Amino acid sequence: EDKVVQSPLSLVVHEGDTVTLNCSYEVTNFRSLLWYKQEKKAPTFLFMLTSSGIEKKSGRLSSILDKKELFSILNITATQTGDSAIYLCAFTGTASKLTFGTGTRLQVTL
Amino acid sequence: NAGVTQTPKFQVLKTGQSMTLQCAQDMNHNSMYWYRQDPGMGLRLIYYSASEGTTDKGEVPNGYNVSRLNKREFSLRLESAAPSQTSVYFCASSESGAGNEKLFFGSGTQLSVL
Repeated sequence: EDKVVQSPLSLVVHEGDTVTLNCSYEVTNFRSLLWYKQEKKAPTFLFMLTSSGIEKKSGRLSSILDKKELFSILNITATQTGDSAIYLCAFTGTASKLTFGTGTRLQVTL
Repeated sequence: NAGVTQTPKFQVLKTGQSMTLQCAQDMNHNSMYWYRQDPGMGLRLIYYSASEGTTDKGEVPNGYNVSRLNKREFSLRLESAAPSQTSVYFCASSESGAGNEKLFFGSGTQLSVL
C-alpha cells in the first residue's frame, strides 16, 4: 500500500530560525511529489517535484527530492510568523491521484 | 477569480439526517475531488471524478455518494449522517487528473454531526 510519512509532526521555532521538514514515501510507480501550505482553511500549492536532485525555490522556501532514498525535504530559511501553518506533502503514483501525509504543524514565535 | 467554491461553509446535522455539499469550479478543469480532513489524519480522499461522467472511490468512500453534475460541479451527499463523519471537507479540482499536476482547493466545509 502506498504511504507517505512526514516528520516531525509539529515543531516550534523562533523567528529567524531555519527549519527542515521531512517527507518520506513508499509508492508504486512514483510520478510526482507536491508540497502544500495550509494556514486556516484551504491548502495552497508550494512546489511540485518530479525529478530527483533538482531543487525548487521560491523566496525563503526550497525543496528537493531524492528518488533513490524516497524522501523530500522542505526548507524554510529566516522564518517569519507568517510561516506558521501546517505543511503537507503528497504524491501521485499509479492511481494518478494525490495521497497526502498527515502534515507537519509549524509554529514560529517572536 | 472564484476558483473552487464550496457551500455551505458550516453545517450541523443530527445523526441520521442527510445533506449535500456543493462544489463548483470555474477553471474548466476536468478532474474534481472530495477530501476529508481529521486531526492527525491528514487529507483523505473520499471520491474523485477524473472527467465529466465518471466517478471513482477513494480511500474512505463508505457513507458517501457523489454526483458529477456537469464539468463544473461535483457534489458530495451524506445519506444518513453519523458522528464519525464530523470533519472538515474539501473539494478540489485539477486540469486533467493525469497525475503530474497540482490541485486547487476550495475553502472547506466544517461539518458537525451530533
